[in-house]
Amino acid sequence: KNEVEQSPQNLTAQEGEFITINCSYSVGISALHWLQQHPGGGIVSLFMLSSGKKKHGRLIATINIQEKHSSLHITASHPRDSAVYICAAPKYSGGGADGLTFGKGTHLIIQP
Amino acid sequence: NAGVTQTPKFRILKIGQSMTLQCTQDMNHNYMYWYRQDPGMGLKLIYYSVGAGITDKGEVPNGYNVSRSTTEDFPLRLELAAPSQTSVYFCASTSDRGTYEQYFGPGTRLTVT
Repeated sequence: KNEVEQSPQNLTAQEGEFITINCSYSVGISALHWLQQHPGGGIVSLFMLSSGKKKHGRLIATINIQEKHSSLHITASHPRDSAVYICAAPKYSGGGADGLTFGKGTHLIIQP
Repeated sequence: NAGVTQTPKFRILKIGQSMTLQCTQDMNHNYMYWYRQDPGMGLKLIYYSVGAGITDKGEVPNGYNVSRSTTEDFPLRLELAAPSQTSVYFCASTSDRGTYEQYFGPGTRLTVT
């Protein structure tokens, strides 16, 4: 069964800073998920990636399959990026049809 | 297209009471999931279903039951509520066409006192 570790658990930064959140997992997988949970509680999927890098606006996600490690970067951070960012991997090797294993999340606060 | 909807949004139960958390999706997804989220912990899988009539236990199924009579609906039943079931419950669904991107409902905040 996959184990997912995220770091840091809490991160406070100033507006404009470059942010990095790290995620490691224990079992080889077909895709890793990055999710965002807003202060109101809703959870949305940001990225799923199985190799290389994906970019969406100021958010960039990278994955190293050999090292079982992924990073989420935020460039030119803004207070509206304040949220909990969650990394998740399939419970077992494979796609995740039988559910995901989640990290504990990184609580990010961007101060003006 | 409403996505995944959950009712109720909030509920307070007394110890020993029962209730059903409703979850409906309109994306024709075969796979549906119930997770619970406790403070400082990652989401934990309670039950999941890969299609109508098929359900299976996740990591923390004790105290819960599910059914899946239609593709759209996946209710979660709490029998004999206990304070340990105080949590935020999320329903999610995903397509079985490769990517398994998960779509989450807005959550139900349940307090058992």
